[in-house]
Amino acid sequence: DIQMTQSPSTLSASAGDRVTITCRASQSINNWLAWYQQKPGKAPKLLIYKASILEGEVPSRFSGSGSGTEFTLTISSLQPDDFATYYCQQYNSYSYTFGQGTRLEIK
Amino acid sequence: EVQLLESGGGLVQPGGSPRLSCAASGFTFSSYAMTWVRQAPGKGLEWVSAITGNGGSTYYADSVKGRFTISRDNSKNTLFLQMNSLRVEDTAVYYCAKSRVPAASRFDMDVWGQGTTVTVSS
Repeated sequence: DIQMTQSPSTLSASAGDRVTITCRASQSINNWLAWYQQKPGKAPKLLIYKASILEGEVPSRFSGSGSGTEFTLTISSLQPDDFATYYCQQYNSYSYTFGQGTRLEIK
Repeated sequence: EVQLLESGGGLVQPGGSPRLSCAASGFTFSSYAMTWVRQAPGKGLEWVSAITGNGGSTYYADSVKGRFTISRDNSKNTLFLQMNSLRVEDTAVYYCAKSRVPAASRFDMDVWGQGTTVTVSS
């Protein structure tokens, strides 16, 4: 199975900051990568698919990049609603795997 | 409105065999692959199993292979997860999720249910 490694595990930041989360795959997944946001007690929400395409109504302050084995999720200017846990997921090959998550907390 | 509603969770003894259901509405269910994802208390997301729209192909995580069976009834717009030989480490919230694109060979998940909790304990 493909292993997905996210860093950092926890990120402390303030509203207005620009933050970047990294996700590395143990082998190439081309651009078959999604990013999800999850808030406590809630289901995950799809933010980005195919590494860089914003889903639906997701605000443009979110962006994704990368291909192959290294990917990033960037939030350009943190809003209070963005403090949550973020997961990457590869869907290049089964079994699809998630990263361990990055908890974005208020500094 | 696209909706997914899971049911069937609860307290189960080790070795038990509950069946989870996920009732879908608001989209052409048979056109979309479906997935089960779980989350143990305080832990991250774990992909569990997936099934293609026509039910012809199924996929499993190694952690559940041989114990869990995913299936669907497209006439009733319902997804299932038959869980056998449950272990304490299967304790989790189980989410069903819909693929974003119909008939896709690879799929991310754009709509999720609210989850159903399975607790395995004696």
